[in-house]
Amino acid sequence: AQKVTQAQTEISVVEKEDVTLDCVYETRDTTYYLFWYKQPPSGELVFLIRRNSFDEQNEISGRYSWNFQKSTSSFNFTITASQVVDSAVYFCALSGGGYQKVTFGTGTKLQVIP
Amino acid sequence: GAGVSQSPSNKVTEKGKDVELRCDPISGHTALYWYRQSLGQGLEFLIYFQGNSAPDKSGLPSDRFSAERTGGSVSTLTIQRTQQEDSAVYLCASSLGSLAVNTEAFFGQGTRLTVV
Repeated sequence: AQKVTQAQTEISVVEKEDVTLDCVYETRDTTYYLFWYKQPPSGELVFLIRRNSFDEQNEISGRYSWNFQKSTSSFNFTITASQVVDSAVYFCALSGGGYQKVTFGTGTKLQVIP
Repeated sequence: GAGVSQSPSNKVTEKGKDVELRCDPISGHTALYWYRQSLGQGLEFLIYFQGNSAPDKSGLPSDRFSAERTGGSVSTLTIQRTQQEDSAVYLCASSLGSLAVNTEAFFGQGTRLTVV
């Protein structure tokens, strides 16, 4: 069975603050894929990143960075110098290797206050 | 098409009626997913189609829910005898083959279903 836990339901930060969104996952697969999606108020989910279980290198893309740690089964997402446009619900997701469904966490609602 | 298309975008139905929700995936995408998102909640997996394989129906909440995918392309999610708890946004997503092949799922804008 697969499970994704996003313990933070809602987070509010003031613009320009850094914020980290937590994601903890459970899977019995040795090969798996982790994702982050953004759902802005408009509603359409937007893909942000995919990591495979063999690659624990952290990744940085502009103000976004991801910290993947297999030892703690975590895939945390940090936004540096947050902006109002970052306000959205962020979902962490997991898929086992091969032809398997994608399991989503319950999401973290981020509000960036100007 | 350029993206995943869902229709209708909004549907209001009376309790007890049947509804059909349609999803047009991105052309060439072999995997198609249906999810349900209730107000303020996360995404609840419903069903997953992959090519010609038998679909993974493990997320369908009751036998009132069914889905089919004709010709490996368009999918229809049918809810029979709708109940008020079925009110939610139903999201469809497609991907190019298995997620093991370095792909991600592209989501449609959803169908907002309201059962009154």
